[in-house]
Amino acid sequence: GQSLEQPSEVTAVEGAIVQINCTYQTSGFYGLSWYQQHDGGAPTFLSYNALDGLEETGRFSSFLSRSDSYGYLLLQELQMKDSASYFCAVSGNDYKLSFGAGTTVTVRA
Amino acid sequence: NAGVTQTPKFQVLKTGQSMTLQCAQDMNHNSMYWYRQDPGMGLRLIYYSASEGTTDKGEVPNGYNVSRLNKREFSLRLESAAPSQTSVYFCASSDLGNTIYFGEGSWLTVV
Repeated sequence: GQSLEQPSEVTAVEGAIVQINCTYQTSGFYGLSWYQQHDGGAPTFLSYNALDGLEETGRFSSFLSRSDSYGYLLLQELQMKDSASYFCAVSGNDYKLSFGAGTTVTVRA
Repeated sequence: NAGVTQTPKFQVLKTGQSMTLQCAQDMNHNSMYWYRQDPGMGLRLIYYSASEGTTDKGEVPNGYNVSRLNKREFSLRLESAAPSQTSVYFCASSDLGNTIYFGEGSWLTVV
């Protein structure tokens, strides 16, 4: 089976940097991805890491260490609109995507 | 682009009633998924279909059935609804399993 762990809540002020960690256990690991979900909305794709290292997409970056079964999502220059839930997810060779319980990020003025 | 379309958006059922959630995607994706989301539980996989003609159980399949009608459509059926199935249901599709696209969600209440 697959299991993922991520913090339940993070609070920060506008302009700050937030790092959301994710540790996972899975067989047949293909990659780690991150999704954002605003209240009442659908999850939307943010980033995907299949190889070790850092992927940067604008203010958001994602990191993966396959040997440590660990990754993180880095949110920089936080804005009020970044208040949302963030989910890490692992994909395997069976095309199944399993999600963590999510991290609620609250951005304060 | 419509992306992933699921219906209905809202539904109230009585315990024991049956219903089918419909889902269609227009991105020519091979894989389709049904998730449920409960407060504090994240997204839990109910069933998925890696490709047309195949379906597999996810983490929480009990009480549900699915049909991959063709490449575009993947339906979820509740044969005898229970209050524990009150949830938000998301259909999703993917080409390679690393990036998935979600529908807008279906809010289901079983009373």
